[in-house]
Amino acid sequence: GQQLNQSPQSMFIQEGEDVSMNCTSSSIFNTWLWYKQDPGEGPVLLIALYKAGELTSNGRLTAQFGITRKDSFLNISASIPSDVGIYFCAGLRNAGNMLTFGGGTRLMVKP
Amino acid sequence: DVKVTQSSRYLVKRTGEKVFLECVQDMDHENMFWYRQDPGLGLRLIYFSYDVKMKEKGDIPEGYSVSREKKERFSLILESASTNQTSMYLCASRVGLNNSPLHFGNGTRLTVT
Repeated sequence: GQQLNQSPQSMFIQEGEDVSMNCTSSSIFNTWLWYKQDPGEGPVLLIALYKAGELTSNGRLTAQFGITRKDSFLNISASIPSDVGIYFCAGLRNAGNMLTFGGGTRLMVKP
Repeated sequence: DVKVTQSSRYLVKRTGEKVFLECVQDMDHENMFWYRQDPGLGLRLIYFSYDVKMKEKGDIPEGYSVSREKKERFSLILESASTNQTSMYLCASRVGLNNSPLHFGNGTRLTVT
């Protein structure tokens, strides 16, 4: 299946800084999901987006479902050391289809 | 909370060995999945199952097979392990064929020497 283009591949930031990452595709998706994987753990769902243009927050995290349905963004405000991990976007075209994952963004936070 | 349990966190096997990776979920989910995770490539789907004894190939099924004899258990089998199958393997489950999110296990890091 087609892989989503996720960027950046990695980020090394100072504690307190804001973070932005995004996923783009040449195809339309009807659901966008953002997962975080802590070191040594499996991915855990952060935010699910089901409607084009939707903006959803979860604490310091905000994600948007792009209006074209071909992209999604995740922002983290005021980063802290426990934000370290790999963030994955995932898209779903239709119910019953399989998820397509981005390549991941590895976030490192310097205290 | 959904619990997806993978039986081994770390495995080291020799080339040519038959390898079994086990996954159990406790939420009566119909759908179960096996992914492998490699740096820069994200998660790639190997096989999935939407019911007992049912299986479907994912994006990279070559060199793998699966077994789902019971609803809660989904096994990934490497018939003859090769070094290019060294990877992190993630099991996941979800309820129904809808847009509900996947729930992942903690992964099995397999090294084939």
